[in-house]
Amino acid sequence: QVQLVESGGGLVKPGGSLRLSCAASGFSFSDYHMTWIRQAPGKGLEWLSLIFNSGSFVYYADSVKGRFTISRDNAKNLLFLQMNSLTAEDTAVYHCARELMDCSSSTCSGMGVFDYWGQGILVTVSP
Amino acid sequence: SYVVTQPPSVSVAPGQTARLSCGGNNIASKSVHWYQQRPGQAPVLLVYDTTDRPSGIPERFSGSHSGNTATLTISGVKAGDEADYYCQVWDIITDHPGVIFGGGTKLTVL
Repeated sequence: QVQLVESGGGLVKPGGSLRLSCAASGFSFSDYHMTWIRQAPGKGLEWLSLIFNSGSFVYYADSVKGRFTISRDNAKNLLFLQMNSLTAEDTAVYHCARELMDCSSSTCSGMGVFDYWGQGILVTVSP
Repeated sequence: SYVVTQPPSVSVAPGQTARLSCGGNNIASKSVHWYQQRPGQAPVLLVYDTTDRPSGIPERFSGSHSGNTATLTISGVKAGDEADYYCQVWDIITDHPGVIFGGGTKLTVL
């Protein structure tokens, strides 16, 4: 079955950095676009970044552009999120998720919706 | 950039029908997706492309849209349906594509 497991979270001081990982299993990782989404305590869902299956295209929310970098290692079935210049506003549970793909034509394309999510990992930014 | 709006809370008695709205400018022209998030759990995809359900999602959950409103309808509400529900669309943010979530609706089963 599809599994997504995040790791690398924890407590970090303001201005610090952290690298999150998401280990994927149960599906052909290199065939799917992947994304990071976070949820601050008591708040709603906030999309952060998306990377195409090949890594050729990446997109970011304005709130993290220039500070966060998404990447992937298809050989190891791993998704990453490098987070720099962290502030208290970045305190949240971070989820990785798989984008549902439409393969009805000769090439597959993302459908802009996420069918499997990891349980999430807590990142706390505090002095 | 595009904004989607959800009411913060909806209450319904067991067995009744809950209708959760998601408002946005001409949202009927977009594919709308719905997620359920129970406390302490990851979101679960309930409806995608406005009306389609992933395998394993009961028919009690259905989606529709008209004009500026998309709706998630939950028929025969059960206690286990108490959760937060988020709508989501894909749109252009500034100058690039991006994902937009509504603020979420907390469904309370009375």
